[in-house]
Amino acid sequence: DQQVKQNSPSLSVQEGRISILNCDYTNSMFDYFLWYKKYPAEGPTFLISISSIKDKNEDGRFTVFLNKSAKHLSLHIVPSQPGDSAVYFCAASDVSGNFNKFYFGSGTKLNVKP
Amino acid sequence: GAGVSQSPSNKVTEKGKDVELRCDPISGHTALYWYRQRLGQGLEFLIYFQGNSAPDKSGLPSDRFSAERTGESVSTLTIQRTQQEDSAVYLCASSLVGTKYNEQFFGPGTRLTVL
Repeated sequence: DQQVKQNSPSLSVQEGRISILNCDYTNSMFDYFLWYKKYPAEGPTFLISISSIKDKNEDGRFTVFLNKSAKHLSLHIVPSQPGDSAVYFCAASDVSGNFNKFYFGSGTKLNVKP
Repeated sequence: GAGVSQSPSNKVTEKGKDVELRCDPISGHTALYWYRQRLGQGLEFLIYFQGNSAPDKSGLPSDRFSAERTGESVSTLTIQRTQQEDSAVYLCASSLVGTKYNEQFFGPGTRLTVL
């Protein structure tokens, strides 16, 4: 039973346009969310995070939005660049966790076309 | 400095054999995690080590799976009597301390194929 879901396995976007990656979760106790980026043959690397006390966090071209009532978060990349082509995972942790136990989605493969 | 390393990068084994996967965390990181990613699925938590505390084994799928860590260094994940459903990429991660706000650094993973 997946508590974190990424329903789009892939997304293709033109260079310079916005990429929007979506993630839904079922556990209302989740209070901390992250996005990881993964290139082939490499481990995931941390991209951006958001705490449940916020609804938006921005870091350069990357912005994460959190809608707690809808149990939905999204990652916006503007403008998208070919180097952004990778698999993106969202992850969530609940309030009871006093360590870094995260629940991961299945990932969305982003392809940014030049 | 060096990141998290894992070996082997690929392992093909026959059903019923035992396998050992190795993880070298970043030096000084007290927390170490093992995850599994099956094809088309997300990362699945397996086990967590924090310093000298008893590990959290709540994610291990069966008693065929075990893991050890010596102090704050190398960890090995052992799968006994492998089954085809064990085929997956096994990822190791470490973090400075094991709180949720500490970034986890992942290794490149070991791709296990059980024939």
